[in-house]
Amino acid sequence: AQTVTQSQPEMSVQEAETVTLSCTYDTSESDYYLFWYKQPPSRQMILVIRQEAYKQQNATENRFSVNFQKAAKSFSLKISDSQLGDAAMYFCAYSPNNNDMRFGAGTRLTVKP
Amino acid sequence: NAGVTQTPKFQVLKTGQSMTLQCAQDMNHEYMSWYRQDPGMGLRLIHYSVGAGITDQGEVPNGYNVSRSTTEDFPLRLLSAAPSQTSVYFCASSYYEEQYFGPGTRLTVT
Repeated sequence: AQTVTQSQPEMSVQEAETVTLSCTYDTSESDYYLFWYKQPPSRQMILVIRQEAYKQQNATENRFSVNFQKAAKSFSLKISDSQLGDAAMYFCAYSPNNNDMRFGAGTRLTVKP
Repeated sequence: NAGVTQTPKFQVLKTGQSMTLQCAQDMNHEYMSWYRQDPGMGLRLIHYSVGAGITDQGEVPNGYNVSRSTTEDFPLRLLSAAPSQTSVYFCASSYYEEQYFGPGTRLTVT
């Protein structure tokens, strides 16, 4: 079974600094997708960034970037120039296709002013 | 374009009661799914549908039924609610690999 592990239940970062959230996953598939979702107190799940496993290049979306290490099955999220609005739960997710998405337990990110 | 909508937002049930959580999407997506989110855990897949008339089980299907009579709607039924079903429920629809989530329903079973 595919599993997703987020080893950091909580992280804290100073405003304007950089923070990295860790994620590892287990799969025997060669093609799959990886995602980071943000969940603020409103409960809404917001897609932050996604990575296709067949792509070597790490995905980037403005201040958010990933470090995808396929052989190590690692998918970390880097948030640069952290802002107060970045405070939320962050979930790493894996999907081999549309039919089955597996989530990690989440990392609660606090941003200190 | 409302995206994915869920009703109700909050619900309290007594053990043994039944109810249906509603989910609708207006994006004409074929794929829809239901997840539950428990404290300290990520979302877990309950059931999914790849199109009208087609449903299948996810990771935690026990105690839940689904049907998909139209592309737009994908209701989740609890036939006999149990305290273990206290959770936040999310519906999602997807276009290729990107999932769009509804706002969630917080369900408490006493």
